[in-house]
Amino acid sequence: GENVEQHPSTLSVQEGDSAVIKCTYSDSASNYFPWYKQELGKRPQLIIDIRSNVGEKKDQRIAVTLNKTAKHFSLHITETQPEDSAVYFCAASPNNDMRFGAGTRLTVKP
Amino acid sequence: GAVVSQHPSRVICKSGTSVKIECRSLDFQATTMFWYRQFPKKSLMLMATSNEGSKATYEQGVEKDKFLINHASLTLSTLTVTSAHPEDSSFYICSASRTSGGPSGELFFGEGSRLTVL
Repeated sequence: GENVEQHPSTLSVQEGDSAVIKCTYSDSASNYFPWYKQELGKRPQLIIDIRSNVGEKKDQRIAVTLNKTAKHFSLHITETQPEDSAVYFCAASPNNDMRFGAGTRLTVKP
Repeated sequence: GAVVSQHPSRVICKSGTSVKIECRSLDFQATTMFWYRQFPKKSLMLMATSNEGSKATYEQGVEKDKFLINHASLTLSTLTVTSAHPEDSSFYICSASRTSGGPSGELFFGEGSRLTVL
């Protein structure tokens, strides 16, 4: 089955700096790669996703890149703000089965 | 957007009792629902995939007799933790996808249910 690894597990940045979170996956059949943000005690919320026919996608301060050959994808957050502080999960999905990375706890210091 | 509602949000029970958690898709039909377990500061661990009208598919290491899953309709899946013990205490989250088979799609998550077994 699919195995997703995520790094780093914790990330602390100064407000205004950029944050990058990286994930690798094992199943070449995976074709959908979402990123979720989870605040403490709340449900995960989709923030951006990318499909395997696209190499990069951007939505305001958030961007995701995908390298199918290397089987890795990354989340980039620019101009970070304190409200970006949360746990971020990457996921990879072959067909209708989604597997999550271990999560990255992002802290943005004012 | 699609809404998934999960109930109850919190439940405390005595050891040995059974607890049922409901997951409903409010404004769409969900052929497939997923049940996850999340330990403190940990990731979402897939427990089982629930398919409407058929038996759930359990992940390796998840006891199907312990965690009973029923997906009786296109908008409701239930997870019953049978004979709960303190080690079953956890945060359980369901999710639903609009699509069944074919290209993958966004998952919509319930609010989660925090189970505490005394």
